Amino acid sequence: ETGVTQSPTHLIKTRGQQVTLRCSSQSGHNTVSWYQQALGQGPQFIFQYYREEENGRGNFPPRFSGLQFPNYSSELNVNALELDDSALYLCASSLESPSPLHFGNGTRLTVT
Amino acid sequence: AQKITQTQPGMFVQEKEAVTLDCTYDTSDQSYGLFWYKQPSSGEMIFLIYQGSYDEQNATEGRYSLNFQKARKSANLVISASQLGDSAMYFCAMRGSPAYSGAGSYQLTFGKGTKLSVIP
Repeated sequence: ETGVTQSPTHLIKTRGQQVTLRCSSQSGHNTVSWYQQALGQGPQFIFQYYREEENGRGNFPPRFSGLQFPNYSSELNVNALELDDSALYLCASSLESPSPLHFGNGTRLTVT
Repeated sequence: AQKITQTQPGMFVQEKEAVTLDCTYDTSDQSYGLFWYKQPSSGEMIFLIYQGSYDEQNATEGRYSLNFQKARKSANLVISASQLGDSAMYFCAMRGSPAYSGAGSYQLTFGKGTKLSVIP
C-alpha cells in the first residue's frame, strides 16, 4: 500500500509571499490533517479535513488555509508568509476508526 | 485543554539494553488515546504504539511496550533490546474525546520529545 507522500520536500520563500504544500493521503484514508513542527518542538495541529470539509482547527490564523479533494489528496496554503512560518510541515492521514495517524516525510519550509 | 510533558530532552542507552522514555499527560476527558511516534532525522513521524484510556492491558508492539498508569497519568514507552537504528526523536501524543467517534477526533497534542541515542 502507498503511504502518505508530500511535495515538495524543501522550499525557500520570501517574507510576504504565498506557498502551497501538497499531500497525497494513504490509500483508503478519508481524513487528512496538517501539523507544523518548529525546530526543536513537537508538531502543532493546524487543521483537519474529513470528506472535503474542514472539521477541526488549531490555534493558527486564517492565512493558513487548506483543501481536500475528492481523491482525498490535500493542500495547505499559507498567505503573507512570516519568518516564524519557517518549519517542517507534516501531513497525516487516517481512517475513521480510532486508528493512528500516518504521517508523510514533511515539507521543510524556509522563509527568508 | 490537553497537555503532554516529556521531561527527558535526551537519553543515552547501550545497544541491546532496555530504555524507558517518560511521558505524563493532563486531560479532563474521560476517553482518550495515547500514542508514541518515532522521528528519525529524515523527518517522517513513524507510529510505534497506541493505548486507549479504557484498555485494561498495557499495549505491546514487538520491542515496544507502553507502561500505562492511569492514576498517575503516565504513559511511558519501554524499548527492549535497543538497536542502533532506534536513535531518533521520540514523541508522546494524546488524542482526546471523542476518541472513538469518526471525524473530528484526530487532533493530536504532542510533547516536546526525547532524543534517544543508542551507543554501540
